[in-house]
Amino acid sequence: EVQLVESGGGLVKPGGSLRLSCAASGFTFSSYTMNWVRQAPGKGLEWVSSISSSGTYIYYADSVKGRFTISRDNAKNSLYLQMNSLRAEDTSVYYCVLGTTGKPEYFQHWGQGTLVTVSS
Amino acid sequence: DIQMTQSPSSLSASVGDRVTITCRASQSISSYLNWYQQKPGKAPKLLIYAASSVQSGVPSRISGSGSGTDFTLTISSLQPGDFATYYCQQSYSTPWTFGQGTKVEIK
Repeated sequence: EVQLVESGGGLVKPGGSLRLSCAASGFTFSSYTMNWVRQAPGKGLEWVSSISSSGTYIYYADSVKGRFTISRDNAKNSLYLQMNSLRAEDTSVYYCVLGTTGKPEYFQHWGQGTLVTVSS
Repeated sequence: DIQMTQSPSSLSASVGDRVTITCRASQSISSYLNWYQQKPGKAPKLLIYAASSVQSGVPSRISGSGSGTDFTLTISSLQPGDFATYYCQQSYSTPWTFGQGTKVEIK
């Protein structure tokens, strides 16, 4: 059974930093693209970042480029999101999402999410 | 960026009704269109990928169709567990983008 368990969320002041982690199990982690998708309270879904299976290819939404860094450790079956220079508009539930091994690409399994609140 | 527009934004329907949700892309995305269901307080769940391929475990009453710029999600006979918000998402090119969502409520 696929399991994705996020951690690291919490309350942080504007301009602060936070590192999210996602522990993956139930599949061959090193074979899949992994993603972060977020959802602001009461709002829709927003893709944040993706990383290819080996970490070679990395993509970011313009809204987080230069502030967030996605990474993975295939030996530990873990995905990370380093978030710096946080803003109030980054307040969201952040989901760790399992992608695919190739095309077509889709978000096939989602973690339960971790809430990040940016407020003074 | 490719903009995804869903219609309607919300709808009220009864158990047993046929429900159709439309998603339109701002440019052609071939069949790179996915659908997700989200219930309150829960993570989204993949329903349909590549426009018409049904994810394993999804009931046969749920189907998807379309290509190019116009896509539909159809629930042939609405069941109590189908009351939720539905999102389309394009995977033609990054940034991956979602529609604004369609909330299906009980009439």
